Amino acid sequence: GAVVSQHPSRVICKSGTSVKIECRSLDFQATTMFWYRQFPKQSLMLMATSNEGSKATYEQGVEKDKFLINHASLTLSTLTVTSAHPEDSSFYICSARGTTYEKLFFGSGTQLSVL
Amino acid sequence: DAKTTQPPSMDCAEGRAANLPCNHSTISGNEYVYWYRQIHSQGPQYIIHGLKNNETNEMASLIITEDRKSSTLILPHATLRDTAVYYCIVRVVGVQGAQKLVFGQGTRLTINP
Repeated sequence: GAVVSQHPSRVICKSGTSVKIECRSLDFQATTMFWYRQFPKQSLMLMATSNEGSKATYEQGVEKDKFLINHASLTLSTLTVTSAHPEDSSFYICSARGTTYEKLFFGSGTQLSVL
Repeated sequence: DAKTTQPPSMDCAEGRAANLPCNHSTISGNEYVYWYRQIHSQGPQYIIHGLKNNETNEMASLIITEDRKSSTLILPHATLRDTAVYYCIVRVVGVQGAQKLVFGQGTRLTINP
């Protein structure tokens, strides 16, 4: 099956700093990527949808200026958590959909801990 | 957007078939039913999807009722590694036809030795 690589798998940062998470589709071109957030013992919450070459579409309640998403190529999308605070600590997961696949493939996730 | 209802938890003995139900009574005619699972601290793993007909692959079988208001995921011979949270999702069409997946709470399946 298709592979989606997410990096880093774990990051610890100080409050007020920015953190960038990368999501790459390794063997297919991802026209659309999705970013999710998951708090402990909860389900995945969709944050935003990004299409290659255009602005991301954010779900209601998600601050677009805080969670910057860039989908500059067909194989790479990045999520930058700006001015991170402890409440941003969460498990962030990306997924990608190609032009022919009906299914989404997910990255392995990034555990962000903000001190 | 169609929503799904799943039991919060289930147990199954190792080696037996695990049958996970899902209700999606408001599903529309062109929406697919997807199943994913998530093992602790990992990204979700695709299992199977279907529209109307029953589907089978190397991982599982998907049985969809004729009225499409419910479905059952069947793991034919459950192993301890099948312990995970299983999500039944109906694919929605978002802005720009992005066809995003919206996750519910899922079923926490525990396979017991």
